[in-house]
Amino acid sequence: AQSVTQPDIHITVSEGASLELRCNYSYGATPYLFWYVQSPGQGLQLLLKYFSGDTLVQGIKGFEAEFKRSQSSFNLRKPSVHWSDAAEYFCAVLSGGSYIPTFGRGTSLIVHP
Amino acid sequence: DGGITQSPKYLFRKEGQNVTLSCEQNLNHDAMYWYRQDPGQGLRLIYYSQIVNDFQKGDIAEGYSVSREKKESFPLTVTSAQKNPTAFYLCASQERETQYFGPGTRLLVL
Repeated sequence: AQSVTQPDIHITVSEGASLELRCNYSYGATPYLFWYVQSPGQGLQLLLKYFSGDTLVQGIKGFEAEFKRSQSSFNLRKPSVHWSDAAEYFCAVLSGGSYIPTFGRGTSLIVHP
Repeated sequence: DGGITQSPKYLFRKEGQNVTLSCEQNLNHDAMYWYRQDPGQGLRLIYYSQIVNDFQKGDIAEGYSVSREKKESFPLTVTSAQKNPTAFYLCASQERETQYFGPGTRLLVL
């Protein structure tokens, strides 16, 4: 069965600092991988996704993520965080044979001025 | 504009009352989903539908019911059997592997 772990419940960064949010998945083959962002009281917005090909994926709002098969990871990065990036971030995985994604529990990003 | 709409944004339920949350999409997606979100618990799947007139229970279906009479619509009813309905409810539709979400409905109990 597919599973996804986001080890960090909260992450605090200063505005302008770089960011990396961790995501690890459990599945033998290469899954489909997603990152979503959720602002308070709103729905989830798709940031980026990886299906195959180049392991470095560019998304919206200046985010990128890198798929590392050897580490079963799909970490989200941003070189310079803005105060408006404060939100909840969810990693999701969809593996072969399933059509329903599994979501991580989310990481709450706090941005200090 | 194509998208997913949920209404109302806030909903208040009295004890013993059934309430219905609306979810509509004009993306022409076959699959639709309902999730419940509680603080610190991520998303939990309530019901999903892969095609019109067919739907399946998710992980926490007890106390909820759905219908899928039209491709565009997937309403969720929170019945009086759901003893702890206070939560944020998210509807999603899916195109192939990717899910897209509505803005959510917050359900509160009076």
